Amino acid sequence: EAGVVQSPRYKIIEKKQPVAFWCNPISGHNTLYWYLQNLGQGPELLIRYENEEAVDDSQLPKDRFSAERLKGVDSTLKIQPAELGDSAVYLCASSLGQRGVEETQYFGPGTRLLVL
Amino acid sequence: AQSVSQHNHHVILSEAASLELGCNYSYGGTVNLFWYVQYPGQHLQLLLKYFSGDPLVKGIKGFEAEFIKSKFSFNLRKPSVQWSDTAEYFCAVNAKGTDKLIFGTGTRLQVFP
Repeated sequence: EAGVVQSPRYKIIEKKQPVAFWCNPISGHNTLYWYLQNLGQGPELLIRYENEEAVDDSQLPKDRFSAERLKGVDSTLKIQPAELGDSAVYLCASSLGQRGVEETQYFGPGTRLLVL
Repeated sequence: AQSVSQHNHHVILSEAASLELGCNYSYGGTVNLFWYVQYPGQHLQLLLKYFSGDPLVKGIKGFEAEFIKSKFSFNLRKPSVQWSDTAEYFCAVNAKGTDKLIFGTGTRLQVFP
């Protein structure tokens, strides 16, 4: 069974440019998460989707970050414009999304972003 | 607010040495606890988890962790490490009934032959 797929794996852009990351969760997983991982830190949640609905985006910097999961399957995270401080690894994770059941999140390989 | 502390930032061991990585969390309610591992160049993988029941949890590759509720701890152990255990280890917590994972800052383990 395929795991969480993310692309691209690496991205180098100049500041003020836009950038987008794509994630395809494990088949059948209804809940999708985007995390930010800075160097030397643990992942921090940016946004969580249940199907196509963003149910927790309190940590997403909405002035420059946006995300969508239009059909409740794959998702895109966008930064526009990128700043130097956005250099980090962007992780996607998914879980089954069954109500009332304790769940495990499965992570993708991440996209490593470098903003010059 | 919940938080997770991993006090060992970098651990260096020789093969066959015993390992214990500390994890403490702050949260007043009931929690689920996880250890994830990230091998060099690979993605985060689940090592083991605790939801309920026996507080001594066994995971993959000979790892185990013990949930001590009174100490708010979930330390990871392995009796004899191998070179292939070289990786970064993350402890994570979420409050029961939620799926917002809070991660620690990670512990980098280096095992030398």
